[in-house]
Amino acid sequence: SAVISQKPSRDICQRGTSLTIQCQVDSQVTMMFWYRQQPGQSLTLIATANQGSEATYESGFVIDKFPISRPNLTFSTLTVSNMSPEDSSIYLCSVRTGGLTDTQYFGPGTRLTVL
Amino acid sequence: TQLLEQSPQFLSIQEGENLTVYCNSSSVFSSLQWYRQEPGEGPVLLVTVVTGGEVKKLKRLTFQFGDARKDSSLHITAAQPGDTGLYLCAGAPNDYKLSFGAGTTVTVRA
Repeated sequence: SAVISQKPSRDICQRGTSLTIQCQVDSQVTMMFWYRQQPGQSLTLIATANQGSEATYESGFVIDKFPISRPNLTFSTLTVSNMSPEDSSIYLCSVRTGGLTDTQYFGPGTRLTVL
Repeated sequence: TQLLEQSPQFLSIQEGENLTVYCNSSSVFSSLQWYRQEPGEGPVLLVTVVTGGEVKKLKRLTFQFGDARKDSSLHITAAQPGDTGLYLCAGAPNDYKLSFGAGTTVTVRA
């Protein structure tokens, strides 16, 4: 299994500012993912962050808006840039561990409100 | 169009009743996962089903993977208020990227 922590747990930000979310894992993992979950909705994958390479973004998400860092195998950051109220969501960090079933674990999320 | 279709979207039942949540797709999955998410928390993995036709039990929860590995169900027997939450099925049909169903919000009334 993997234990994931995220900081901050929640924040209220002003339009036009940026927020960096940190994700720390208790073990080394190759694959890390960032998801967005809008209120009452399911999870949407933003990007895949592998150590030593550029993050891979899903359709509708771009690096300028959501820059990601992955400096080592236990840590990643997601920045939400130039925020607008539409960015208000829960942002979740996730990791995949190896094995037959490739289990995926999630952090507790960062609840972001943009005014 | 969602890769995984979950139904129903909402379920409200009385304590002690049974419920079933369905997860269907036209794609074949090597495995499917079921998560429960409570407000203010991230999704927590309940089970992974791997083999077609597989049935897994976790106390009062029974998970089934279809023979063709395109669908799955979650059945809760004698539901309790602690079972309240958002239930999500997820799978990665082609690559490592997990796709999620829209989720089923389950409310168990005391």
